[in-house]
Parts: sequence; C-alpha cells; structure tokens
Amino acid sequence: DQQVKQNSPSLSVQEGRISILNCDYTNSMFDYFLWYKKYPAEGPTFLISISSIKDKNEDGRFTVFLNKSAKHLSLHIVPSQPGDSAVYFCAASGGSYIPTFGRGTSLIVHP
Amino acid sequence: DVKVTQSSRYLVKRTGEKVFLECVQDMDHENMFWYRQDPGLGLRLIYFSYDVKMKEKGDIPEGYSVSREKKERFSLILESASTNQTSMYLCASSLGTGWMNTEAFFGQGTRLTVV
Repeated sequence: DQQVKQNSPSLSVQEGRISILNCDYTNSMFDYFLWYKKYPAEGPTFLISISSIKDKNEDGRFTVFLNKSAKHLSLHIVPSQPGDSAVYFCAASGGSYIPTFGRGTSLIVHP
Repeated sequence: DVKVTQSSRYLVKRTGEKVFLECVQDMDHENMFWYRQDPGLGLRLIYFSYDVKMKEKGDIPEGYSVSREKKERFSLILESASTNQTSMYLCASSLGTGWMNTEAFFGQGTRLTVV
C-alpha cells in the first residue's frame, strides 16, 4: 500500500505559468517532507524540504506547502521554465531516516 | 561538493550471472541506500545500511544482497541475474539519524539490462 501518493503521472504547463505538483500521504508519523527532481539518465537531486512544524517553505521559484490536516503537500514552481521539465518525486520520513518516495510526476514545460 | 559515484552508467549482463554494482560516497555519511527505479513504480528501496557491516532489507530485497565493508562503499549484488531485474539502479547516502538529516544524495544511476 502506497504511503506517499502522487496521483498525477504527468503535468503539462506553458512556460511562464505556474506548475503545481501534488502529493498525498497516509502515515501520520511522517514529519519531514522532501521534493526531488530527476532528469533522464541522472540520479535525483534534492530540491526543497519542509518539516511538519511549518506550513510553507520557499526557495526562489520553488515553494512547498504542507497541509497536515489533509495530509497533503504541494510544490509550486513560478514561473515555470523549460529547464524545469523533469520527473518530480515527493518523499516523506518520520521516526526514521529512511524516506518513502512517491511514484513521481513528469512535468513538461512547453516554450 | 557532495558526491556519490556509481561504478557503471550502463551494464549488460546475461541471465544467471552474478552482478556487482558498486557505490562510493565521499561525504562520510552514515547511511547508504540502494533503490531501483521502474516506469510507473517510482523509487523502490532494495536495501539500506546505517553503519559498516550493518544492513537492513527494504521493500524489495528478493534476489539481491548487499555488502558494506567500509563506510564509504556500499555494494549491491544480484546473486543470479534475471530479466525482471532489468532496471535503473540508484545508490544514495544521507548523513545521520536525526529527522533533519534525511536529505539523500544520489549517484548518477546504473542502467542494468539483463538479457
């Protein structure tokens, strides 16, 4: 049973617009959440994280929002750029150092 | 700069061969992980290690074993390769056990094809 769910396998966005990637989790013990970005034929790279004591964290064009009551987090990319086209993985951890990953969302940003 | 290096980018092996995938990290990290990535299935944890000579099974350990004789090196072993082990294999490391230290650093991946 998936504890971290990314229900949209793919997302297509126009350059300059906002990209919103969603992630839901089921385990109430999760208290730290991360987003990774992966290009083809490369390993994932860490993008941004948020702890459960916060509801928002920003880093440049990237913002992660956490809604603990809904067990939902989202990654906003504003403005989207063609170089943002990649697979984005949501991950969560809690009580241990082992992150659980979602299945990923493939983002395509059209010029 | 943080670095996790996997010994091969691409490998082609025959069914039944014993296959070794090597991973080295230069960050003095405690934890190391092996994942496989398959389309539509995301990243699935095969094995992890939190210390030298220590290992724990992940979600899909069947058909695999691991070795960690030195802190910086974590090897994944396919005892008898099968075609369903054709996949992208990713090694990762992370610093410690605190919840703030779960950012994982990944290697570039090894695309293994078993024929």
